[in-house]
Amino acid sequence: AQSVTQLGSHVSVSEGALVLLRCNYSSSVPPYLFWYVQYPNQGLQLLLKYTSAATLVKGINGFEAEFKKSETSFHLTKPSAHMSDAAEYFCAVSDDTNAGKSTFGDGTTLTVKP
Amino acid sequence: DGGITQSPKYLFRKEGQNVTLSCEQNLNHDAMYWYRQDPGQGLRLIYYSQIVNDFQKGDIAEGYSVSREKKESFPLTVTSAQKNPTAFYLCASRLTGSSYNEQFFGPGTRLTVL
Repeated sequence: AQSVTQLGSHVSVSEGALVLLRCNYSSSVPPYLFWYVQYPNQGLQLLLKYTSAATLVKGINGFEAEFKKSETSFHLTKPSAHMSDAAEYFCAVSDDTNAGKSTFGDGTTLTVKP
Repeated sequence: DGGITQSPKYLFRKEGQNVTLSCEQNLNHDAMYWYRQDPGQGLRLIYYSQIVNDFQKGDIAEGYSVSREKKESFPLTVTSAQKNPTAFYLCASRLTGSSYNEQFFGPGTRLTVL
């Protein structure tokens, strides 16, 4: 069985500050991990994904995430927050045992203060 | 441009009525998914289909029905048996072949029961 835990349902940062959104996963086999972003009343858009090719993954809009197997984590970071980063972020996991289905975390709402 | 469309964007329903939400994709993806999103609860899988004329229940299928008669289309019917249907509904599709292929999401339909 696979699961995802996002620590912190709300994160607030100042514009220009570091963004850190936490995601821990559980999977009985090697996982594939995803971060998606959702703006209000819209669908989800892929930010980046881990597919075992490299542990540090770079995505769109300056975001990156590092896969740490020993910590079962896949935290999302961005060095300098921008007002346009304010949105809800979802971590998701899938693996080869689950017919391509993904399990999503409950989401983290990022607020960026001017 | 390839993508996923959902219609309508907003839908209002009286109690006791069935309603059908449309989802169409021109990405040539085999797999399609329906999710329900409620505040603070992430995405919950309703139904999914990996091939035409075949679909499986997700975690919260009760009160919902689907069909997959064409590769491009995966409509969701919210029946009167669904006791609390007010929510944001998201459709997604995915290229099969590997579990690391991400899901592509439509813009969503917000259903409100009056």
